Amino acid sequence: AQSVTQLDSHVSVSEGTPVLLRCNYSSSYSPSLFWYVQHPNKGLQLLLKYTSAATLVKGINGFEAEFKKSETSFHLTKPSAHMSDAAEYFCVVSFSGSGNTGKLIFGQGTTLQVKP
Amino acid sequence: KAGVTQTPRYLIKTRGQQVTLSCSPISGHRSVSWYQQTPGQGLQFLFEYFSETQRNKGNFPGRFSGRQFSNSRSEMNVSTLELGDSALYLCASSLWAGASGANVLTFGAGSRLTVL
Repeated sequence: AQSVTQLDSHVSVSEGTPVLLRCNYSSSYSPSLFWYVQHPNKGLQLLLKYTSAATLVKGINGFEAEFKKSETSFHLTKPSAHMSDAAEYFCVVSFSGSGNTGKLIFGQGTTLQVKP
Repeated sequence: KAGVTQTPRYLIKTRGQQVTLSCSPISGHRSVSWYQQTPGQGLQFLFEYFSETQRNKGNFPGRFSGRQFSNSRSEMNVSTLELGDSALYLCASSLWAGASGANVLTFGAGSRLTVL
């Protein structure tokens, strides 16, 4: 079965320090991978996506993610956290393959807290 | 370019009532998907509509239904409301059916339903 696991439910960093949000997936098919962000009382905004063109993906607001097939991971990073980065982050997968019609499967989310 | 518009943004209902939520996709997008977000279950796929046809359905009871009109606008309906239906209902639109790296979903701000 296809699934996605975010390894940390809560991450706290100081402003100006690096951010690492971890995500692993399991799949028998070729995945499309995404990171979405949700600010309080807002919808989901796409940060970046992986589509097999390049293993290192750059997104908006300085975020990056690296796809590692051998580790089935897609961790999200940012060199320097900003106060405005405080939000809920979701690792999301869709799978293309026999019997699959491309719905999104969400991780449980990681709350990022940024301290001044 | 207008984004995905969901109405109403907030609503309160009592158990046993029914509710209808509306979603207007981005102009030109023909697919609309619905997701339910709760603190306990996270984000779960409800259904997807493309060209007025339901393409895929998640694991929800028959009380949850939807439809799509010829202008791609979509509605979802929940009948005989239960306390557990309290959630943020998110609508997303995309150009084609099936979420993928080549067919990214854009989400609306959501409709927050409270059932008393």
